[in-house]
Amino acid sequence: GDSVTQMEGPVTLSEEAFLTINCTYTATGYPSLFWYVQYPGEGLQLLLKATKADDKGSNKGFEATYRKETTSFHLEKGSVQVSDSAVYFCALGDYGGSQGNLIFGKGTKLSVKP
Amino acid sequence: EPEVTQTPSHQVTQMGQEVILRCVPISNHLYFYWYRQILGQKVEFLVSFYNNEISEKSEIFDDQFSVERPDGSNFTLKIRSTKLEDSAMYFCARRRRSTDTQYFGPGTRLTVL
Repeated sequence: GDSVTQMEGPVTLSEEAFLTINCTYTATGYPSLFWYVQYPGEGLQLLLKATKADDKGSNKGFEATYRKETTSFHLEKGSVQVSDSAVYFCALGDYGGSQGNLIFGKGTKLSVKP
Repeated sequence: EPEVTQTPSHQVTQMGQEVILRCVPISNHLYFYWYRQILGQKVEFLVSFYNNEISEKSEIFDDQFSVERPDGSNFTLKIRSTKLEDSAMYFCARRRRSTDTQYFGPGTRLTVL
């Protein structure tokens, strides 16, 4: 079945460092790909998404490109801030033959130090 | 991003008791989902609901679980006889027909003692 694999955390960075969180997926169809963020004590917020190959999602300085050839959707940010400290979840949703329940990775906890 | 509301924010219950978790709908959202997140683990799909019927459910969603949308109002998840392992954060999500994006509520933290 479909699955998502994320790099293990936690990740600790200094402010203004470059961030990459790796995400790869396995899917039989043509899923949409998402990054959700969970700040401490809060629910899941959509960070960005991409719906087809070569699409780039971006929001709040974060970017991820849907790479079909490598089945990847890595999250990047050029300069992280303390306020980016959160847990980041990669997810896929395949709406081809279903209602599109999301399949999540295990999450990567990011801590940014001043 | 559409606001999604869930009640209660935190529920503490004794093992074997019934609990009902509620999600407040937005009128133009047709698809509803419940997910759960056991502490420190990944978010897992439980069930999807469309047009007042379950459309998909996971292996986790056994006979102890049920969902309904009484009177077209709140979307509820009921756990009939809670177990210790049901302790988790439960998230409701909604989606419009025209998009693939699911919007999540803030969650209900369920603690089973």
